[in-house]
Amino acid sequence: GQSLEQPSEVTAVEGAIVQINCTYQTSGFYGLSWYQQHDGGAPTFLSYNGLDGLEETGRFSSFLSRSDSYGYLLLQELQMKDSASYFCAVEFIGQNFVFGPGTRLSVLP
Amino acid sequence: DADVTQTPRNRITKTGKRIMLECSQTKGHDRMYWYRQDPGLGLRLIYYSFDVKDINKGEISDGYSVSRQAQAKFSLSLESAIPNQTALYFCATSGGTSHQETQYFGPGTRLLVL
Repeated sequence: GQSLEQPSEVTAVEGAIVQINCTYQTSGFYGLSWYQQHDGGAPTFLSYNGLDGLEETGRFSSFLSRSDSYGYLLLQELQMKDSASYFCAVEFIGQNFVFGPGTRLSVLP
Repeated sequence: DADVTQTPRNRITKTGKRIMLECSQTKGHDRMYWYRQDPGLGLRLIYYSFDVKDINKGEISDGYSVSRQAQAKFSLSLESAIPNQTALYFCATSGGTSHQETQYFGPGTRLLVL
């Protein structure tokens, strides 16, 4: 089957660095995406890894290792506004998507 | 103006009623998707469509049907609503001529089935 796992909750303080992991049991996919969702809002795209390695977009970085069936989202210089849920998602060949269960990040002052 | 819109934004209905959720997009994308979101379960794919003549079942299509009336419109119907279909429903689009990494989501429809 196709499944992704994420920690349910992560807590960190302002200014810190936090890593949200995503492990998966699947194959034959184009890449791993990350989405952010604030309470009451819609998911918004953050980052995408089509190839193994690190992708950096401002304070956010994302990493993929297909050999380890593993990826992560790294958030640096945490701000209060980063408090949200974060979802990893796999895009399968055939263009359908499977999302992970989400990680709720709480940033404390 | 929003690129992906959903109507209604909130809906309360009774068990057994037929309801339709509508999605429109102005992004010119061929691919459209319907998801439901339940607490702790993330987003689960109901149906997806790669163009007007293409409809595909997702992970949880039972109890739902869809219609792709035009490139810009993709509707989700609950033929006979039941309480466990109470959820937050999102429409999304993606584009491109090959695989596309980004999905653009509508604001969501909150559905309560009594």
